[in-house]
Amino acid sequence: QSAPTQPASVSGSPGQSITISCTGASPDVDFSHYVSWYQQRPGKAPKLLIYGVSNRPSGVSNRFSGSKSGNTASLTISGLQAEDEADYFCSSYTSNTPWLFGGGTKLTVL
Amino acid sequence: QVQLQESGPGLVKPSEPLSLTCTVSGDSVNSGGNYWSWIRQSPGKGLEWIGYIYYSGSTHFNPSLKGRVSIFLDTSGNQFFLRLTSVTAADTAVYYCARAGSTLEFDAWGQGTLVTVSS
Repeated sequence: QSAPTQPASVSGSPGQSITISCTGASPDVDFSHYVSWYQQRPGKAPKLLIYGVSNRPSGVSNRFSGSKSGNTASLTISGLQAEDEADYFCSSYTSNTPWLFGGGTKLTVL
Repeated sequence: QVQLQESGPGLVKPSEPLSLTCTVSGDSVNSGGNYWSWIRQSPGKGLEWIGYIYYSGSTHFNPSLKGRVSIFLDTSGNQFFLRLTSVTAADTAVYYCARAGSTLEFDAWGQGTLVTVSS
């Protein structure tokens, strides 16, 4: 099973919205249901932002939202803020290798 | 609130085993529905899931580690352990312990511990 694919970098200005994609290597029912997103700031552990494609844990800003279309999941950050500058990883659950992480996307706030 | 804390040697010699401990507070490692996992991140790279142990003691490992990994539970100490054998420089990474629940996301992470493989 191959890891999901993410763009290496995205950028946006404060107040704008950006979207990070996460594409599965092949159609997979498990991928459709169990996609999660994590934010990682330098030197820190990842923090859960989205689970089950589009669910937000309590305490996570509603500026973060998740969606899925076909075999591609997406993380959208609206009202971009300087503090959003970080690395973002998607993860999918599969039956063979239970968890696969995307390569990560570096978000730069201009 | 659940907290996880990794501990273990920061330096391991090539070909020797790497052993790490994750101490859990705020939850029980033998409570149902949780997958206690190890995840690593090589310097400047992405995340790699290593394996998990379920509360029942069943385990599942990343096939890419080719039988070098084992994970154990200590319910009395509320800890779980990672052992990775025959390490090489490629195993140098920050190692995280993490919890995944029945909805299969990692909702709690340790702070991570850097392990360097070098003679």
